[in-house]
Amino acid sequence: DIQMTQSPSSLSASIGDRVTITCRASQDITGFLNWFQHKPGTAPRLLIFDVSNLEAGVPSRFTGRSDSETDFTLTINNLQPEDIATYYCQQYDDAITFGQGTRLEIK
Amino acid sequence: QLRMVQSGAEVRKPGSSVKISCKASGYTFTKYFLHWVRLAPGQGLEWLGRVNPYNGDTMYAQKFQGRVTMTRDTSITTAYMELKRMTSDDTAMYYCTRDRGASLRGWFDPWGQGTQVTVSS
Repeated sequence: DIQMTQSPSSLSASIGDRVTITCRASQDITGFLNWFQHKPGTAPRLLIFDVSNLEAGVPSRFTGRSDSETDFTLTINNLQPEDIATYYCQQYDDAITFGQGTRLEIK
Repeated sequence: QLRMVQSGAEVRKPGSSVKISCKASGYTFTKYFLHWVRLAPGQGLEWLGRVNPYNGDTMYAQKFQGRVTMTRDTSITTAYMELKRMTSDDTAMYYCTRDRGASLRGWFDPWGQGTQVTVSS
């Protein structure tokens, strides 16, 4: 199984900050990487698909990029209160696995 | 509109099974893979597997092989997930979701509302 490791596991930031979450795959996943947002009491939401493509309706302050075949980054610019959630990366190169999640809180 | 409606909450005893349904509407049911994902207390999202509604083909996460069965009934555009020999570790919110990529892409949208499964003696 491909393991996905996110860092940090949790972070605290202020409104207006830039936030960066990283995700490392245990092997090359050929760019088959998506990002999800999950808020308590709701279903998860697809934010970014295939590394850097913004899902319809997702604010442009969310961006994704690849730093290598195994390292990926989600950036949230100008953090807003509604961005408080847990974020997950997900690979689909071999079956599907999620990272363990990054819990984002407001400072 | 696109909709996935799941069956209601379940309570089971350890060692028993549960079968959850997911009714899809608003799109061609047989065109898109349907996946099951769970979220246990204090844990992250976990993929259980997927069913191809077109032909019933399945793919399961290694962890659940032998314990999970995913099926579908195309006549009523409904998918099912059965989990057997449950323990307290299976207590979780279970979600069905459509892969809008029309193959295994992980582009999960929309999602069902979730079905809470509680395993307790």
